[in-house]
Amino acid sequence: GAVVSQHPSRVICKSGTSVKIECRSLDFQATTMFWYRQFPKQSLMLMATSNEGSKATYEQGVEKDKFLINHASLTLSTLTVTSAHPEDSSFYICSARARDSYNEQFFGPGTRLTVL
Amino acid sequence: AQSVAQPEDQVNVAEGNPLTVKCTYSVSGNPYLFWYVQYPNRGLQFLLKYITGDNLVKGSYGFEAEFNKSQTSFHLKKPSALVSDSALYFCAVRDSRGYSTLTFGKGTMLLVSP
Repeated sequence: GAVVSQHPSRVICKSGTSVKIECRSLDFQATTMFWYRQFPKQSLMLMATSNEGSKATYEQGVEKDKFLINHASLTLSTLTVTSAHPEDSSFYICSARARDSYNEQFFGPGTRLTVL
Repeated sequence: AQSVAQPEDQVNVAEGNPLTVKCTYSVSGNPYLFWYVQYPNRGLQFLLKYITGDNLVKGSYGFEAEFNKSQTSFHLKKPSALVSDSALYFCAVRDSRGYSTLTFGKGTMLLVSP
């Protein structure tokens, strides 16, 4: 089956620093990638949708200047949390959808971000 | 707007007993429905989906779900629960038009006791 990887799986950083999370589709070309945020014991909240080669579309309430998303290739998307603060601590999950497979969405294992 | 309701925060069941995790949805047009499972500190694993065809969908690990259009429900079921089934379960929906995004329910914690 299709595999989506995320790196790192866990990161701890100091307040004010920036953190980059990578999301890769390992065995398929992901024309669309999604970034979600999940708080403890809560559901996934969609942050943004990115199509390869285009600017990401952010959900209402998500700061585009704080959560920078780049989808430069068909197998890689990155989420950069800029000037991270403790309230940004969360579990971030990416998901990828292949071309012409609009009913299939594959999820990465998630990245646990802790901002001190 | 589309939405998913999972009315139970937690479902408790004894090992070997049947389990049901409830899900109802609201969507414009025809729904695409999904169930995912999440283990602690892990991403989501796909269990099953309904796109079209038979209302009873069979998925991974012995799970199945029944699409009921009149009740707008897509309950997850398993005839005999295992302790290892204990996890967080999410129902999700999107409409069938183009490239709409998934909307998730809040999740239901399933606890299977030995």
